[in-house]
Amino acid sequence: AQTVTQSQPEMSVQEAETVTLSCTYDTSESNYYLFWYKQPPSRQMILVIRQEAYKQQNATENRFSVNFQKAAKSFSLKISDSQLGDTAMYFCAFMSTSGTYKYIFGTGTRLKVLA
Amino acid sequence: GAGVSQSPRYKVAKRGQDVALRCDPISGHVSLFWYQQALGQGPEFLTYFQNEAQLDKSGLPSDRFFAERPEGSVSTLKIQRTQQEDSAVYLCASSQTGSSGNTIYFGEGSWLTVV
Repeated sequence: AQTVTQSQPEMSVQEAETVTLSCTYDTSESNYYLFWYKQPPSRQMILVIRQEAYKQQNATENRFSVNFQKAAKSFSLKISDSQLGDTAMYFCAFMSTSGTYKYIFGTGTRLKVLA
Repeated sequence: GAGVSQSPRYKVAKRGQDVALRCDPISGHVSLFWYQQALGQGPEFLTYFQNEAQLDKSGLPSDRFFAERPEGSVSTLKIQRTQQEDSAVYLCASSQTGSSGNTIYFGEGSWLTVV
């Protein structure tokens, strides 16, 4: 069974600085998708960035980028130029390309951006 | 609709009561998912529909949990004889097709508290 581990329960960063959130996963599959979702207090999950495992190039979306290390099964999220609005819970998620396409989520990292 | 809509947003139920949670996915979306998110945890998969067919219900924690999507659009998650451990946010999500890699859009969730 696939598992997703986020080892940092809480992190903080100064506004305009850079922060990296860690995620590791375990799977025996060769192709899959990885995601980072942001969850503000409203609880709505908002997609931040996604990565297809067969693509070697790391995904980027404006201030957000990932460091995808397939052999190490690591998928970290880097947030550059942190903004107060980035304060939220961040969840790493795994999705198999076979079966139901359900997400397996980690336990989350609470990020606080300090003014 | 513009987004995934869930109702009620908040529900307090007495232990032993039955509850019904409704999800209205984005219009035309084929796939629909239900997740349960306990306090301080990541969302956990409950069940998946493709149109009206329930293709995966492996995450439903007990036979007190039942989900349906009779016409392939609106879905209802029913919990019978609620227990305190059922207290959680129930998230609904939908995606356009039943293939992998499609972006999944989440609703804001239904917060259930069992007292």
